[in-house]
Amino acid sequence: DVKVTQSSRYLVKRTGEKVFLECVQDMDHENMFWYRQDPGLGLRLIYFSYDVKMKEKGDIPEGYSVSREKKERFSLILESASTNQTSMYLCASSLLPSGDTQYFGPGTRLTVL
Amino acid sequence: TQLLEQSPQFLSIQEGENLTVYCNSSSVFSSLQWYRQEPGEGPVLLVTVVTGGEVKKLKRLTFQFGDARKDSSLHITAAQPGDTGLYLCAGAQGAQKLVFGQGTRLTINP
Repeated sequence: DVKVTQSSRYLVKRTGEKVFLECVQDMDHENMFWYRQDPGLGLRLIYFSYDVKMKEKGDIPEGYSVSREKKERFSLILESASTNQTSMYLCASSLLPSGDTQYFGPGTRLTVL
Repeated sequence: TQLLEQSPQFLSIQEGENLTVYCNSSSVFSSLQWYRQEPGEGPVLLVTVVTGGEVKKLKRLTFQFGDARKDSSLHITAAQPGDTGLYLCAGAQGAQKLVFGQGTRLTINP
């Protein structure tokens, strides 16, 4: 069974804190993605990576950075968390880019106070 | 600006009824996917349509890709409570990205 795991299901942080969200996939996929999901807005792409140490900005990268040191792990970093970053964060991976199936983790619900 | 517009955003119907969810865009996509997401879980792929005019069936679910590859629909026949969830369409745009619609939250009442 394919599996994408995220380090936390729920996280509460304070404004200004540095936040790390970790994602691990066990499928040897090249491509990994970070989305945020907000009601009425669907999923919006923050960053994606198509190879180790490679990263590309998505549609809403401001306030975020990413790290991919190993193929199976893709980390999302909020350098200085703000209340408008309160959201559900979803990680996904795929074998092929674009039109291929994306496999999602269960999500991390982040609340920034 | 949302590239993919889903309608309706919310739908609540009785068990046994039929329904259609629409996914529209002014952009052309090389393929279009439909996902279903249940509470506390990530989205799970239901189907991918690739060819303009393509129709795919998955038990009581029928998916259609528009001839111009700009729109898609999901039709559910004789809806059941197990169909409840958030349905998301996603279009493949460019080499590596998917663009998602806002989602349709479907509730089937017993």
